[in-house]
Amino acid sequence: DGGITQSPKYLFRKEGQNVTLSCEQNLNHDAMYWYRQDPGQGLRLIYYSQIVNDFQKGDIAEGYSVSREKKESFPLTVTSAQKNPTAFYLCASSIEPQPQHFGDGTRLSIL
Amino acid sequence: SQQGEEDPQALSIQEGENATMNCSYKTSINNLQWYRQNSGRGLVHLILIRSNEREKHSGRLRVTLDTSKKSSSLLITASRAADTASYFCATDEDSSYKLIFGSGTRLLVRP
Repeated sequence: DGGITQSPKYLFRKEGQNVTLSCEQNLNHDAMYWYRQDPGQGLRLIYYSQIVNDFQKGDIAEGYSVSREKKESFPLTVTSAQKNPTAFYLCASSIEPQPQHFGDGTRLSIL
Repeated sequence: SQQGEEDPQALSIQEGENATMNCSYKTSINNLQWYRQNSGRGLVHLILIRSNEREKHSGRLRVTLDTSKKSSSLLITASRAADTASYFCATDEDSSYKLIFGSGTRLLVRP
């Protein structure tokens, strides 16, 4: 079945470590996105990519980095510079800007 | 930046009743979307309404858009326990790739 796969579902990070969240899609979508969701809140855009080898910052890009080397993959690295990384991270993709199709998220916690 | 804001924040109804959620936004938009999120899961796209449309239906869902008041409403008719979820409105900015989400309405449908 076509869809978006995020892994792992749960991730724990020690302070000072970088950690990478995986997002893979087999929908043949050009655009991919990363969002952060805090408890009881809506989603905030971290980075998005309209096409391979190109990406743009969203509203809260500080402390995060991304790459888009393949159409199917858009990994997100949470760096040690992100002071409050504990959150639910959602990846999405779209064939046109809208609508967006979401994965089931990765919950990141700090040990 | 938060553009869409939902009202109420939480709603509890009996199965079979209708549920109405409202969304307000601040600037001009090209389209407005509604998404559903079950607990601990990703978002599922429900419906998209364009700025030149006033009403749209999809099954038991009815969405209205009033661009003069910068507001939208989502009506779920004949609610079911399976409709229990959080509902988010999302609006686009100039780039169309940047969705701005509200903080959501948590709907509980009691059997």
